[in-house]
Amino acid sequence: GENVEQHPSTLSVQEGDSAVIKCTYSDSASNYFPWYKQELGKRPQLIIDIRSNVGEKKDQRIAVTLNKTAKHFSLHITETQPEDSAVYFCAALLSGTYKYIFGTGTRLKVLA
Amino acid sequence: DVKVTQSSRYLVKRTGEKVFLECVQDMDHENMFWYRQDPGLGLRLIYFSYDVKMKEKGDIPEGYSVSREKKERFSLILESASTNQTSMYLCASSMSRAGTDTQYFGPGTRLTVL
Repeated sequence: GENVEQHPSTLSVQEGDSAVIKCTYSDSASNYFPWYKQELGKRPQLIIDIRSNVGEKKDQRIAVTLNKTAKHFSLHITETQPEDSAVYFCAALLSGTYKYIFGTGTRLKVLA
Repeated sequence: DVKVTQSSRYLVKRTGEKVFLECVQDMDHENMFWYRQDPGLGLRLIYFSYDVKMKEKGDIPEGYSVSREKKERFSLILESASTNQTSMYLCASSMSRAGTDTQYFGPGTRLTVL
């Protein structure tokens, strides 16, 4: 079946450093890729998304890049802060469906 | 502001019991989803519904059923709960039939089956 691989599973960075989380998807026709942040004990919330007709999207300190040829997309967080500590999930929308396939999550710890 | 609510935050049931998890959204969303979240496995889709009385199986439907009698409400049913169904259950909804709109999640129900 279709899948999304996400790496790393855990990531620790010093406050102020950058963090990068990478995902690879298998459905070459997928065209929508959201990223969710889940703080401890809370629901996942969308933080940024990208559609297949663009290669990069930025929103303040976060950015997402997409390489359709390699079927690979990444989340970049710059100038990390303690409140960025959370679990981050990538997802891909399967073409022709309403189904999202999620990655297994990355636990980011920002050390003060 | 979209609001997705789930009937319980925590639930403890015994093996063999029938369990109902309820989800309600207040934004007239077409699509509703039930996921299961387990450590190291991410979010796995159990069932989804794209219209009233319409449902489709996700990746792990075994042992579960769903009901969508009204647009705003999507119920997950465990006919006979088993210990391997102990998990966090997340409901989500999204607006359009195109399927590329944001999914909004409920707060989750942590179910323990003894």
